[in-house]
Amino acid sequence: DQQVKQNSPSLSVQEGRISILNCDYTNSMFDYFLWYKKYPAEGPTFLISISSIKDKNEDGRFTVFLNKSAKHLSLHIVPSQPGDSAVYFCAASGKNAGGTSYGKLTFGQGTILTVHP
Amino acid sequence: SQTIHQWPATLVQPVGSPLSLECTVEGTSNPNLYWYRQAAGRGLQLLFYSVGIGQISSEVPQNLSASRPQDRQFILSSKKLLLSDSGFYLCARTGGGGYTFGSGTRLTVV
Repeated sequence: DQQVKQNSPSLSVQEGRISILNCDYTNSMFDYFLWYKKYPAEGPTFLISISSIKDKNEDGRFTVFLNKSAKHLSLHIVPSQPGDSAVYFCAASGKNAGGTSYGKLTFGQGTILTVHP
Repeated sequence: SQTIHQWPATLVQPVGSPLSLECTVEGTSNPNLYWYRQAAGRGLQLLFYSVGIGQISSEVPQNLSASRPQDRQFILSSKKLLLSDSGFYLCARTGGGGYTFGSGTRLTVV
């Protein structure tokens, strides 16, 4: 059972335009959501996160939106740059699973973003 | 520093051979440690997690095992590799704020 789903395996956008990456989840116990960026042959690096008490979090060109009623979150990148080309993973966590406020992360399948110059 | 060291970076092993991937971490003591795998065309799947020395929880039934002989050491092992064990293996930690991943090991079983 895939509790976190990224239904778009790939996304292609033009440099300077907006990239919108989507993620859906099914477990209502998730209360913390993260986006990671991964280049080939490297580990994922943290991008941005959002707690379930918020519906928006912004950091520079990256904004994450959370719609709890729809169990949906999205990552917006504006403006998109060629260096943003990577695999983006959505991840979710519930409280105290594993003894930390982050606990175990459940990841989506990832979306390959390609930004064309 | 919350650095994670993983080695080797790439590994090609024949079917039926044993496996040992090592992960060591720096920074705060008693971190929660995790092994994830990314199989081709799939997302990151949690394999094992450990909340302390000698404490291992398995998330999915599989051909692999994990051990934590020291606070900052997490080992992923197999007695006999299968073709389906091929993938990108990532060690991760929490503790001291956030979730940090190692650089990963690309395992190809031939």
